[in-house]
Amino acid sequence: EVQLVQSGPEVKKPGESLKISCETSAYSFTSYLIAWVRQMPGKGLEWVAIIDPYDTETRYSPSFQGQVTVSVDRSVRVAYLQWTSLKASDTAMYYCARLKQLEKDPFDYWGQGTLVTVSS
Amino acid sequence: SYELTQPPSVSVSPGQTANIACSGDKLGDRYVSWYHQKPGQSPVVVIYQNSRRPSEIRERISGSNSGNTATLTISGTQTMDEGVYYCQSWGSSTGVVFGGGTKLTVL
Repeated sequence: EVQLVQSGPEVKKPGESLKISCETSAYSFTSYLIAWVRQMPGKGLEWVAIIDPYDTETRYSPSFQGQVTVSVDRSVRVAYLQWTSLKASDTAMYYCARLKQLEKDPFDYWGQGTLVTVSS
Repeated sequence: SYELTQPPSVSVSPGQTANIACSGDKLGDRYVSWYHQKPGQSPVVVIYQNSRRPSEIRERISGSNSGNTATLTISGTQTMDEGVYYCQSWGSSTGVVFGGGTKLTVL
C-alpha cells in the first residue's frame, strides 16, 4: 500500500529553523513527483513547491519562492521542506502529496500533514 | 497569475443533486482535479482529468469541464458527502492552482 508518512507536529519560535519530512513507501520513489501544500488555520489549500526525486529539479510557487527549500534523500525515500528563519505567518498544516505528471495528473496520495506552530 | 473561483458554500437536501462550480479563464483547455476534505483529514482526490473517477470513489460523483467552468456533480447526496471540495488545475506561470474551496452542507 502506498504511504506518505510525515514527521510530527512542531512548535518553534520566530527566527528558528525547521526541516519537516515526508517518508514514502510501496512505490517507485523516482517515478513520481512530490509536492508540498500549505493549509493555514481555517483556510484553503495553497501549493508550495514540487520536486522531482529523479533529478531533484524543483519548482516553487511564486508566493513561496525564497521562503522555503524542498529536497529529497533518494537513499531513504524521503522528501523534506525546510525553513531557515520561521515567521508567525508560517503557522499552518503542511501536507506532502505525490503526482505522476505535471499539468495532467492529480495528487493521488497525501501525507497525514505536519502541524507547524510558530509563536514567541 | 491564474486563479480559480469557487462559491464558498453549497447546501442541498439529502438525496438531491449538488453542483459545485469552479471557474477560470479558458479552464476547459486545462485538466481539472477535485478533492474532498473532511475536518481534520487530508484531502482525497475524487475526480481527475476533468471527469475520471478513482476506482474507490462512489459512482454518484462526476465531473465536467468546458469553456471557463468545471463542475463537480454529486447525485443522491448523503451526509457522508459533507466537507470542503477544492478544484485544482495548472497555470503556466503560477504552477499548481487551487480554488478557494466550497463547503458542502447536506441538510
